Amino acid sequence: KAGVTQTPRYLIKTRGQQVTLSCSPISGHRSVSWYQQTPGQGLQFLFEYFSETQRNKGNFPGRFSGRQFSNSRSEMNVSTLELGDSALYLCASSPGGGDHNEQFFGPGTRLTVL
Amino acid sequence: AQSVAQPEDQVNVAEGNPLTVKCTYSVSGNPYLFWYVQYPNRGLQFLLKYITGDNLVKGSYGFEAEFNKSQTSFHLKKPSALVSDSALYFCAVRESHYGNNRLAFGKGNQVVVIP
Repeated sequence: KAGVTQTPRYLIKTRGQQVTLSCSPISGHRSVSWYQQTPGQGLQFLFEYFSETQRNKGNFPGRFSGRQFSNSRSEMNVSTLELGDSALYLCASSPGGGDHNEQFFGPGTRLTVL
Repeated sequence: AQSVAQPEDQVNVAEGNPLTVKCTYSVSGNPYLFWYVQYPNRGLQFLLKYITGDNLVKGSYGFEAEFNKSQTSFHLKKPSALVSDSALYFCAVRESHYGNNRLAFGKGNQVVVIP
């Protein structure tokens, strides 16, 4: 099976712009979670989508949003970018939520905000 | 609330020596515990997990971890470290109730295996 894929791998944006990141989960996986990784804050949970519904949400401002499509692919959007949004954004998929399966991570999208 | 503590920033070990990476956790219910490893410019790779049952769990690449409920710990171990084990290691926890797929990660431990 193909792993979790994320596009693009690298992005450079300027403050005030918006950005959309994409994640394709492992085939058959219905849960997709997003995490932000920074040197200062480490790995922080953004949100999780399951069957096209946001099921869990972390403590991020409303500028961070996401959605999931019927094929389980997910996108996250960040509007009005700030310098502090520079990070590695990781997507993870699992078969379903609330079970004991581990999450499988993609390679991440490196976002740089100038 | 769920949280993880990894007390050491960096763990240095000589090749061939035992490797231990420490992790303690806090959850309000029963925990699901995980270890992941991250190589430079890569995503996280799953190593092992504790769900229930035997407190000693074995995972990929010769790693194992011991769940200790009384000490709320889940330390990662490898009997004989390799130079290729040099990487960033993350412990993670989530509460075991349906609908919770939210992982809380520790800050990570940089492991350096010295040839």
